Amino acid sequence: DAKTTQPTSMDCAEGRAANLPCNHSTISGNEYVYWYRQIHSQGPQYIIHGLKNNETNEMASLIITEDRKSSTLILPHATLRDTAVYYCIVRSYNNAGNMLTFGGGTRLMVKP
Amino acid sequence: EAQVTQNPRYLITVTGKKLTVTCSQNMNHEYMSWYRQDPGLGLRQIYYSMNVEVTDKGDVPEGYKVSRKEKRNFPLILESPSPNQTSLYFCASRKQDGSSYEQYFGPGTRLTVT
Repeated sequence: DAKTTQPTSMDCAEGRAANLPCNHSTISGNEYVYWYRQIHSQGPQYIIHGLKNNETNEMASLIITEDRKSSTLILPHATLRDTAVYYCIVRSYNNAGNMLTFGGGTRLMVKP
Repeated sequence: EAQVTQNPRYLITVTGKKLTVTCSQNMNHEYMSWYRQDPGLGLRQIYYSMNVEVTDKGDVPEGYKVSRKEKRNFPLILESPSPNQTSLYFCASRKQDGSSYEQYFGPGTRLTVT
């Protein structure tokens, strides 16, 4: 599975959009981009995933560049409860162990 | 409510005393997995199971055992715990048919081995 690079930390004002970038320049054609988050030692929570088209759900939007080498997770109106570590994960559908490889992630701090 | 439950949530034990951490899911998922999380190392997979009676090693299986006798349960067994197994453990599950990419994680079990 391709390696991802994320900023270590980011701040965002409450009510504003949080834009979390992720680089995955070695991504291959059959690899999906997943985003999970972990709120202070709780179990990781799935947010969204995509292959090449932009995706939106009730939690967030995922923008994937045309060359698929990077993506951005957008939380449109961040709240204090969105403070968490956000993980960008690239995984192929054929990953036999279904393992998610969590890197360091981005620690997002939403401030009042 | 769809969920993955783990017990106990917190456990302090001594070296060599066998313990079991239970994991149960109510979503009829075929796939279940155990991870451990340590500072600076992220989450690492210990064992996984693609269905009943089918288990396989993840990245860090040494010192652990698992069993999958029923679809809903996937206990993690430490036969002889050691201090380097002090960690935060998560169980996860998902459908195996490829229609769902979302893994559901339990709340975690914080284990301390002295």
